[in-house]
Amino acid sequence: NAGVTQTPKFQVLKTGQSMTLQCAQDMNHNSMYWYRQDPGMGLRLIYYSASEGTTDKGEVPNGYNVSRLNKREFSLRLESAAPSQTSVYFCASSPRGVQSEKLFFGSGTQLSVL
Amino acid sequence: QKEVEQNSGPLSVPEGAIASLNCTYSDRVSQSFFWYRQYSGKSPELIMSIYSNGDKEDGRFTAQLNKASQYVSLLIRDSQPSDSATYLCAVLQTGANNLFFGTGTRLTVIP
Repeated sequence: NAGVTQTPKFQVLKTGQSMTLQCAQDMNHNSMYWYRQDPGMGLRLIYYSASEGTTDKGEVPNGYNVSRLNKREFSLRLESAAPSQTSVYFCASSPRGVQSEKLFFGSGTQLSVL
Repeated sequence: QKEVEQNSGPLSVPEGAIASLNCTYSDRVSQSFFWYRQYSGKSPELIMSIYSNGDKEDGRFTAQLNKASQYVSLLIRDSQPSDSATYLCAVLQTGANNLFFGTGTRLTVIP
């Protein structure tokens, strides 16, 4: 059972380049999330999808877009990368919603924007 | 004021001792509280959740919640070197769809 799978694990971009981070879960969870983790800032929610077909902004959505492609997949797109987006990105899922639910995290993507 | 505050540490304890990790939160009506453990270079994993005042025990871990003081703690008894990690406190505000995470406390258990 793979759980939550993120790709790629590492990525280096130049300022202005675009890229998509992929996330898939095989646990039949309804809700999926994208977080970023920065030193001294903790984990911050970028976007989430409470269920297939819906997406909502989190704490730090600027500069990002998301797509909930189907129940399994939730992608995060950086249209024009900036150095401030250098971070570790985690995808997560939960069975129904974040209330009282355990989050299952992927292994993370280390992104550097030069 | 941050939603969730933790002492970043590092906190060092000898093997076999009790490690005490603390967390305060700003939203008085928060309902759900979680402790996640994150090993270096790995993703967070849930180790404890607590929803009502008092203590909740699970093996060597005890979570303590005091809503009047807006304070959550995690005690690790008989600390082992394998407990060395960063511990993240997370709080769910009433009506929110977002867990607010603290910055984490780095714990080192010295053999």
